[in-house]
Amino acid sequence: QQQVKQSPQSLIVQKGGISIINCAYENTAFDYFPWYQQFPGKGPALLIAIRPDVSEKKEGRFTISFNKSAKQFSLHIMDSQPGDSATYFCAATFGGTDKLIFGTGTRLQVFP
Amino acid sequence: DAGVIQSPRHEVTEMGQEVTLRCKPISGHDYLFWYRQTMMRGLELLIYFNNNVPIDDSGMPEDRFSAKMPNASFSTLKIQPSEPRDSAVYFCASRRDRTNTEAFFGQGTRLTVV
Repeated sequence: QQQVKQSPQSLIVQKGGISIINCAYENTAFDYFPWYQQFPGKGPALLIAIRPDVSEKKEGRFTISFNKSAKQFSLHIMDSQPGDSATYFCAATFGGTDKLIFGTGTRLQVFP
Repeated sequence: DAGVIQSPRHEVTEMGQEVTLRCKPISGHDYLFWYRQTMMRGLELLIYFNNNVPIDDSGMPEDRFSAKMPNASFSTLKIQPSEPRDSAVYFCASRRDRTNTEAFFGQGTRLTVV
């Protein structure tokens, strides 16, 4: 119940294309869903986050879509750029705990 | 602010040796987390502290692992004795308080046990 399942494990996209990464969870108590971005040799850094009271949040080229009934959320990267090549982690937590549970990560490669 | 600082960046040690990883959280942050990252298991939470007190160590894999936070600006993760399966990247992260949910990660320590 504490797991967050993430797919795909790796993704190759051409420059200008749309990258889509999906996550699913079981624990309905989760109420905060961030996405972290990690470049090689660096620690993960917060990219964008959403709470379940909205179905979508957009920041620049990055959009989170949230489906509460299906217990799924996804990250969409529009107009993908080579600089977006990184590993992306979805995560979840809820107010009753301080733990942030991470998905297993998606390695994104954007080719020119 | 310099961010979360971890040392060393890389550590190579022989099986059976003691290894100590160090972390300096961002000043003013109440929470400190230790994560382990591997290809197979992704990012696993090992232990976390709130105001220097260990709150949840259920992710610590074995008694060989221990963590301390003697003050608000320093934490250690110790492995004794180390084993090859402990090879991973270990991250420390800090968070301001319960309301501010963003975790700030250090650059990690890549541990190789041979």
